[in-house]
Amino acid sequence: GQNIDQPTEMTATEGAIVQINCTYQTSGFNGLFWYQQHAGEAPTFLSYNVLDGLEEKGRFSSFLSRSKGYSYLLLKELQMKDSASYLCAVRDSNDYKLSFGAGTTVTVRA
Amino acid sequence: DTAVSQTPKYLVTQMGNDKSIKCEQNLGHDTMYWYKQDSKKFLKIMFSYNNKELIINETVPNRFSPKSPDKAHLNLHINSLELGDSAVYFCASSPPGEPNYGYTFGSGTRLTVV
Repeated sequence: GQNIDQPTEMTATEGAIVQINCTYQTSGFNGLFWYQQHAGEAPTFLSYNVLDGLEEKGRFSSFLSRSKGYSYLLLKELQMKDSASYLCAVRDSNDYKLSFGAGTTVTVRA
Repeated sequence: DTAVSQTPKYLVTQMGNDKSIKCEQNLGHDTMYWYKQDSKKFLKIMFSYNNKELIINETVPNRFSPKSPDKAHLNLHINSLELGDSAVYFCASSPPGEPNYGYTFGSGTRLTVV
């Protein structure tokens, strides 16, 4: 099974940087995903890591350390529209099931 | 065109009723899922079907019964609805193998049991 932990809430100022950490314990690892979910909407894919290291996509970057069971999502140059919930998810290597953390609600203030 | 579509978007019903939620995907994906997101925003898998066959069945009351008439459709029927069933139900789909984008989600069905 999966055990995924991430902080419940974070607040930051427009233009700043925020780092959302995610730790996981899994019986079979086949990739870690970050999704963004705005209130009342579906989760949308942000990033994917399967090997150790940093993946950068514009203002968003995601890092993975498989030996530590740790990932983070880095949001740079925060904009008001980045206010949302950010979900860390781990894919199981046995059945490809995605298990999600409880999500981190990020509030961006002017 | 919507890739994964669910109907209805909102559903308000009384305790004890039976209701269905429908999901369709036009992505040609083989695998479809139902997830439940409770009031604390925790997204938990309920069922998964691959090419009309049930492959994941998490610990879910047997009042919930999924049905997949073909690989593009996965419906969820709920009998004897209870207050605790109130949540947002998301349908999702994925292609075979290990896609590097995970799942594509539908827009959700907000179920309120009164």
